[in-house]
Amino acid sequence: AQTVTQSQPEMSVQEAETVTLSCTYDTSESDYYLFWYKQPPSRQMILVIRQEAYKQQNATENRFSVNFQKAAKSFSLKISDSQLGDAAMYFCAYRSAQGGSEKLVFGKGTKLTVNP
Amino acid sequence: ETGVTQTPRHLVMGMTNKKSLKCEQHLGHNAMYWYKQSAKKPLELMFVYNFKEQTENNSVPSRFSPECPNSSHLFLHLHTLQPEDSALYLCASSPRLAGPNYNEQFFGPGTRLTVL
Repeated sequence: AQTVTQSQPEMSVQEAETVTLSCTYDTSESDYYLFWYKQPPSRQMILVIRQEAYKQQNATENRFSVNFQKAAKSFSLKISDSQLGDAAMYFCAYRSAQGGSEKLVFGKGTKLTVNP
Repeated sequence: ETGVTQTPRHLVMGMTNKKSLKCEQHLGHNAMYWYKQSAKKPLELMFVYNFKEQTENNSVPSRFSPECPNSSHLFLHLHTLQPEDSALYLCASSPRLAGPNYNEQFFGPGTRLTVL
């Protein structure tokens, strides 16, 4: 079974600085998707960024980018120019690309605090 | 209403009560999901429905009974719960149950359930 590990329960960053959240995963599959979700204090979970395992290029969405290391099974999230609105729980998630399974496997999350 | 809505947002119930959680998606999606989010634990998938048919039950106890009358509505009927069932219950939807292709899941704000 796949597992996702987020080794940093909490992180903090100064406004306008850069922070990197770590995620590692374990799988025997070669094709899969990886995601970072953000859950602000209002609790609605939203997708931040996704990465297809077959793509070597790291995904980027504005101030959010990932460092995808397939061989190391590592998928970190970098937030540049941090803003107060970035404060939230961040969850790393895995999904198999095999047909018939819609199961997202989540890590325990990292609580990000942004200091003004 | 837009996106995925859930009612009630907060629920307190005794172990002998029967209550229901409601989820509604206004996105024209065909797949819907129930997740359980407990403190200090990863988000856990409970049930998946695709075109009103249950396609996944992640070994959920029978005191949780899902119902999907149509592609827009999903219920979770609760009966004789235990205090350890206290958690945030999240509903999500996606365009369809994916095969090898990616489909983003859109989450509702959740229902905070407390079982006394």
